[in-house]
Amino acid sequence: DAGVTQSPTHLIKTRGQQVTLRCSPISGHKSVSWYQQVLGQGPQFIFQYYEKEERGRGNFPDRFSARQFPNYSSELNVNALLLGDSALYLCASSLNREALYGYTFGSGTRLTVV
Amino acid sequence: DAKTTQPTSMDCAEGRAANLPCNHSTISGNEYVYWYRQIHSQGPQYIIHGLKNNETNEMASLIITEDRKSSTLILPHATLRDTAVYYCIVLNSGGSNYKLTFGKGTLLTVNP
Repeated sequence: DAGVTQSPTHLIKTRGQQVTLRCSPISGHKSVSWYQQVLGQGPQFIFQYYEKEERGRGNFPDRFSARQFPNYSSELNVNALLLGDSALYLCASSLNREALYGYTFGSGTRLTVV
Repeated sequence: DAKTTQPTSMDCAEGRAANLPCNHSTISGNEYVYWYRQIHSQGPQYIIHGLKNNETNEMASLIITEDRKSSTLILPHATLRDTAVYYCIVLNSGGSNYKLTFGKGTLLTVNP
């Protein structure tokens, strides 16, 4: 079975640009969450989507948005990129919202803003 | 969600047991203890979780104290591939937000 897949794996953008990151959850998983991990820190929660609705949002500015599609895949959009948005962006999926048996993470998208 | 405290780093010899402590003194009754690990340049990996009782799976054992204020993750026979950052996370099972709150974790280095 394929795990959580994220694309692209690496990306370089210029300040002020917009970026879209993509995530395909494990087959059958209906919940997708997004995390940002800057160098040297633990991942920070950005969003959770379940059944195509936003179910949780972390402390991130409105430049960050996301959506979940009918096939449960998800996109994370970041507008007006800042240098500080450089980070590893992780997608995690679970069968349901509670994820009692844990989330499965993808390998992430490494975003560099120059 | 309750905060957790972990040592910044630990060393372990290959083949020996690695015991990683976590303090969660403000944990409440419906909060689970979860452990994840992150190997360099990869996404975090779920290891194990527990509420009150000790738990064991194919990866590790989780020992939770009777007062639930601390726990220990045990890797019974550490290998070089177990070198990673280990995160102890407390998660409210009954809340409306199921986000994972990661701290800085413990960097476990397994030495040959």
